[in-house]
Amino acid sequence: QVPLVESGGDVVQPGKSLRLSCAASGFTFSQYAFHWVRQAPGKGLEWLAVISYDGSRKYEAGFLNGRLSVSRDNSKNEMYLQMTGLRHDDSAVYYCARDRGLGMGPPSIVGLEVWGRGTTVVVSS
Amino acid sequence: QSVLTQPPSASGTPGQRVTISCSGTSSNIGDNFVSWYQQVSGTAPRLLIFSNNLRPSGVPDRFSGSKSATSASLTISGLRSEDEADYYCATWDDGLSGWVFGGGTKLTVL
Repeated sequence: QVPLVESGGDVVQPGKSLRLSCAASGFTFSQYAFHWVRQAPGKGLEWLAVISYDGSRKYEAGFLNGRLSVSRDNSKNEMYLQMTGLRHDDSAVYYCARDRGLGMGPPSIVGLEVWGRGTTVVVSS
Repeated sequence: QSVLTQPPSASGTPGQRVTISCSGTSSNIGDNFVSWYQQVSGTAPRLLIFSNNLRPSGVPDRFSGSKSATSASLTISGLRSEDEADYYCATWDDGLSGWVFGGGTKLTVL
């Protein structure tokens, strides 16, 4: 059983929107913070966002200029990433990852302990 | 250009000890815990070290971490061929109010 499974990756045209999902299983979803991280082909890891265990706190990478929104539904054991105004350089593998902590600010954002296998987004006309 | 600076490459022979550095500032490493990740080609990253020097269960004690002021290091002892991978440091950045990764270090086992 894979603890985290991402879905929603697709080939999309520039300017369009996309929502990615991360489904969790095998642990108590509502007790952990979750992150989104992406990796463009041949490049390093790029952090995108973290959401606290209860969804009350969200931190999102500033360089995305508001094009991204993270959310979660603890009743469904799922987390989401909504991306708008997609650009060619948004093409990447998108990973969700579970933090060791609650995500209520830096002291409780400890480290990304469980990772999914990723879902691929290609932005192309 | 990452706010955390890592050497792009490192190498060692089997059995050797290798250290990978991660340099930051007072707003990131200097004020927060550091974690380290291993990414074998084609796979998802794996957490090796959290809170500067703690290992999750299942991570061999050949991997160790340390932090001093605005720098951190990952040391791999008794290098093995399966350690060939990319390694990333990461921490919280107070100025950015977000998590940051280093640029990554490609470790080659000769």
